[in-house]
Amino acid sequence: AQKITQTQPGMFVQEKEAVTLDCTYDTSDQSYGLFWYKQPSSGEMIFLIYQGSYDEQNATEGRYSLNFQKARKSANLVISASQLGDSAMYFCAMRDYIQGGSEKLVFGKGTKLTVNP
Amino acid sequence: GAGVSQSPSNKVTEKGKDVELRCDPISGHTALYWYRQSLGQGLEFLIYFQGNSAPDKSGLPSDRFSAERTGGSVSTLTIQRTQQEDSAVYLCASSRDWQETQYFGPGTRLLVL
Repeated sequence: AQKITQTQPGMFVQEKEAVTLDCTYDTSDQSYGLFWYKQPSSGEMIFLIYQGSYDEQNATEGRYSLNFQKARKSANLVISASQLGDSAMYFCAMRDYIQGGSEKLVFGKGTKLTVNP
Repeated sequence: GAGVSQSPSNKVTEKGKDVELRCDPISGHTALYWYRQSLGQGLEFLIYFQGNSAPDKSGLPSDRFSAERTGGSVSTLTIQRTQQEDSAVYLCASSRDWQETQYFGPGTRLLVL
């Protein structure tokens, strides 16, 4: 089974600075996918970025980039030029397959990011 | 285009009552997922539908929970004889097909008194 570990319960960053949110994972699969989601206080989970295990380049989406280090089994999210609206919970997740043909996302416990003005 | 929608957004019920939670996936998405988010348990997977079929129901917490999907679209999660430990946010997600990115709805906040 897949496992996701996020060791930072909370992070603080100054507006306009960059911040890295840590994520490590455990899997015995050769092919896998990693996701980051943002959950503002409103509660909706917003998809940010995806990294496939065979992708040669680190994924980027606007101000979000994923620092993927396969050998270390880490997939850290980097947010550049932080904005006040980036304050939210951030979840790292991994796809897991269940016998019988089901699939699901396995989530870490999340990191609460606070952007200070 | 329209995202995943869920109703009701909030539900307060009394212990022992039945509740129905509804999810409308993104149009054309064949895969649909239910998750539960609570303070103590984090994000838990409940069930996955491919079309109208749920290959595995072992993620449902107890036999008081059931889910169905009709017409390859709308899904309903039903909790019978609600208990206080059922209080949580119930999140629905859909994806274009399995192994694709999941997009979440706003959730239903359930409070069982």
